[in-house]
Amino acid sequence: QVQLQESGPGLVKPSETLSLTCSVSGGSVSSASYLWGWIRQPPGKGLEWIGHIYYSGRTSYNPSLKSRVTMSLDTSKDQFSLRVTSVTAADTAIYYCARVVAGYELMPFDNWGQGTLVTVSS
Amino acid sequence: EIVLTQSPGTLSLSPGERATLSCRASQSVSSNYLAWYQQKPGQAPRLLIYYTSHRATGNPDRFSGSGSGTDFTLSISRLEPEDFAVYYCQQYDSSPWTFGQGTKVEIK
Repeated sequence: QVQLQESGPGLVKPSETLSLTCSVSGGSVSSASYLWGWIRQPPGKGLEWIGHIYYSGRTSYNPSLKSRVTMSLDTSKDQFSLRVTSVTAADTAIYYCARVVAGYELMPFDNWGQGTLVTVSS
Repeated sequence: EIVLTQSPGTLSLSPGERATLSCRASQSVSSNYLAWYQQKPGQAPRLLIYYTSHRATGNPDRFSGSGSGTDFTLSISRLEPEDFAVYYCQQYDSSPWTFGQGTKVEIK
């Protein structure tokens, strides 16, 4: 059974860069069978897709964040990462990493990390 | 961008009753790539349904999905106490992938 775990600072200052890592156990980020995604949820609000990354390193980002977001893979550690630059209070949210199954029928976000709260504040 | 509108915002029902949740898309989800998630307080969302009507592994058969085009439905045949939660629909037909705003199913 695959497990995902987010890690990173819980507090980031405005205008700085938010960096999170998702560690995958029980699976491989270099498998062609999966995509690896990030979703966020402001406290008490709904879900927002940030983007996802393929095993090849190809990425797809939400246009609302595209200019500030970078995702990457570390296949040697079975990890993938998220960077969001120039953060503001509007980026305060619970950040989730999740897996997408890229099979005959695409199956989105079947496994999630527990989520990590990132607060943007000085 | 496909905007998903869920209704109602809140559904007040008793255990044992049937729940019907709606998700309407601003344009056709032509591939039927529409999913439903359940989220309980303090927990990550859990995938219930994908490809409109396929139940994800481990979910009870009282959960079912249907629909096509712009109108989709999640049905819960008989509410169990553990089903009271917030439900989100999500389309993954076109980028950006988008979520509805959620429907809260609460105990009446």
